[in-house]
Amino acid sequence: DAGVIQSPRHEVTEMGQEVTLRCKPISGHDYLFWYRQTMMRGLELLIYFNNNVPIDDSGMPEDRFSAKMPNASFSTLKIQPSEPRDSAVYFCASRPLGQGLNSPLHFGNGTRLTVT
Amino acid sequence: GDSVTQMEGPVTLSEEAFLTINCTYTATGYPSLFWYVQYPGEGLQLLLKATKADDKGSNKGFEATYRKETTSFHLEKGSVQVSDSAVYFCALSGNSGGYQKVTFGIGTKLQVIP
Repeated sequence: DAGVIQSPRHEVTEMGQEVTLRCKPISGHDYLFWYRQTMMRGLELLIYFNNNVPIDDSGMPEDRFSAKMPNASFSTLKIQPSEPRDSAVYFCASRPLGQGLNSPLHFGNGTRLTVT
Repeated sequence: GDSVTQMEGPVTLSEEAFLTINCTYTATGYPSLFWYVQYPGEGLQLLLKATKADDKGSNKGFEATYRKETTSFHLEKGSVQVSDSAVYFCALSGNSGGYQKVTFGIGTKLQVIP
């Protein structure tokens, strides 16, 4: 099992550009989460999906952020236009439904985004 | 809604010292509780978990007991090593509107010095 795979590992872009972060969850996992981590705010939940359907996007900061999950093996988080305050590490995590509340999250290694 | 409160760091200890990182929670129903660890440049990974009251989770010398009466899940280790230097997150998994939601604490950075 390759684990949760995120790409790219690092992204540097200029303010105003579009940024797309990618995630491949572990096969068979029903839940997919997107988190943002900063020194100031810690780990924030942005959005999560269950069986490819967005369940709670209340953590998405504003309309510049959007997330999709077109199939069970792929998800994207897009920022358009990007701003310097979006600089952070973005994590994707997946989780199997089978064990219910006992199931731990499996995290990718994150994408470090820098917007200049 | 659900919430997790953990002590702010950083915590600096000498090697072989005793470690306690406090964690308390607020939740409805019967959540499961977790500790995750994050090493530099990596994502979070599960350290241990407990799924019901009075359960003790343990792994790699770390322990935490699910205390429903005090709504706590404190992380302990009897003798820390330099390799334990990392950020530790307390988390709970509960039901929210029929779906499973995970709530994390802010994270506590631990630095162990030789």
